[in-house]
Amino acid sequence: GAVVSQHPSWVICKSGTSVKIECRSLDFQATTMFWYRQFPKQSLMLMATSNEGSKATYEQGVEKDKFLINHASLTLSTLTVTSAHPEDSSFYICSARNRDRETGELFFGEGSRLTVL
Amino acid sequence: GQNIDQPTEMTATEGAIVQINCTYQTSGFNGLFWYQQHAGEAPTFLSYNVLDGLEEKGRFSSFLSRSKGYSYLLLKELQMKDSASYLCAVSDAYSGAGSYQLTFGKGTKLSVIP
Repeated sequence: GAVVSQHPSWVICKSGTSVKIECRSLDFQATTMFWYRQFPKQSLMLMATSNEGSKATYEQGVEKDKFLINHASLTLSTLTVTSAHPEDSSFYICSARNRDRETGELFFGEGSRLTVL
Repeated sequence: GQNIDQPTEMTATEGAIVQINCTYQTSGFNGLFWYQQHAGEAPTFLSYNVLDGLEEKGRFSSFLSRSKGYSYLLLKELQMKDSASYLCAVSDAYSGAGSYQLTFGKGTKLSVIP
């Protein structure tokens, strides 16, 4: 299989604090992981592309200093929301592609629902 | 730019067949995916098309016409559990390390009624 695990599933934090979300590929190596954000009743919006061993590529309008991405190994990428504010409350989903599969399908983590008070 | 269109909502009866259409205009094309997403959950993979034609997988089939920039997802023998959002996504821009990123449509919310 191809399992992507994301942690935590739910997090509530106070405004101004930082939150780290982990994304792990459990049974395959992922040179590239993607971070998406989804607001209620909207589709997934790509935030950034995370390549192992190099800097992440951010989509237009996404602040790289606010959403820190680290992809230190072939199985782990982290997203840190720094100085979170209520407008950052959203469903954050990571995904990874198995580099050994040709179809290129994305496998998604379970998602992390962030609520900033 | 990237543009992926699909209907916002559809309603169908249990046991029936429903077709969800998707049209796309993207700068590149490396395949089209369909995902199912239940409320509050992450998307799950349904199908992948890179060549023209129909791909069948159980109750689900997906069709692609690259020349028309068109795809559809066909769901047969609908069940109540099929009520979900269905996302059309195109693999377009190259994101490095042999990988292509996905651009998602806004999703079609399907409601299956008894």
